[in-house]
Amino acid sequence: GQNIDQPTEMTATEGAIVQINCTYQTSGFNGLFWYQQHAGEAPTFLSYNVLDGLEEKGRFSSFLSRSKGYSYLLLKELQMKDSASYLCAVLDSNYQLIWGAGTKLIIKP
Amino acid sequence: GAVVSQHPSRVICKSGTSVKIECRSLDFQATTMFWYRQFPKKSLMLMATSNEGSKATYEQGVEKDKFLINHASLTLSTLTVTSAHPEDSSFYICSARTSGRAVTLQETQYFGPGTRLLVL
Repeated sequence: GQNIDQPTEMTATEGAIVQINCTYQTSGFNGLFWYQQHAGEAPTFLSYNVLDGLEEKGRFSSFLSRSKGYSYLLLKELQMKDSASYLCAVLDSNYQLIWGAGTKLIIKP
Repeated sequence: GAVVSQHPSRVICKSGTSVKIECRSLDFQATTMFWYRQFPKKSLMLMATSNEGSKATYEQGVEKDKFLINHASLTLSTLTVTSAHPEDSSFYICSARTSGRAVTLQETQYFGPGTRLLVL
């Protein structure tokens, strides 16, 4: 079966750095997405990785290792507005998105 | 670009009535649209995939006669919840994709703002 694992909840301090991990086992791989979802709102696109390595975009970076079936989202200089759920999703061989359950990130002052 | 709208954003209805939710891609043609449902504090659950001009493909456990999907054009898909019951209360989100090969950022899924349905 297809499976995506990410921690249910993480807590971090404002101004700090946090890394949210995602491991996956899917039938085929055509890329991995990270989405941010604030409570009561739809997901918004953060990043897309299809090749191994680190993609940096401002305070957010996303890493992918296809051989290990592993990705992480790195958030630097955390702000209170970063409190949200972060969803990892993999595009499988049928170009369907397989979603993780999401990681709820709580930022404390 | 790549804006998806949903209407209505919020709806309250009585048990037994039907509710129609519209999903529109405003500045691109969506060959494929997806309908998701999300319960509080849970992740997205794919309900069905619809391609323009063909019947929707429903995920296991989703009743196609209860959740009617019509993708009549490249910019509009509708989800009708028929004979809604309180257990159908949820956050319904649509997303749109331009083509079947998402190898570039431009072909990722773009989400609508969601529709919150409350069935009394």
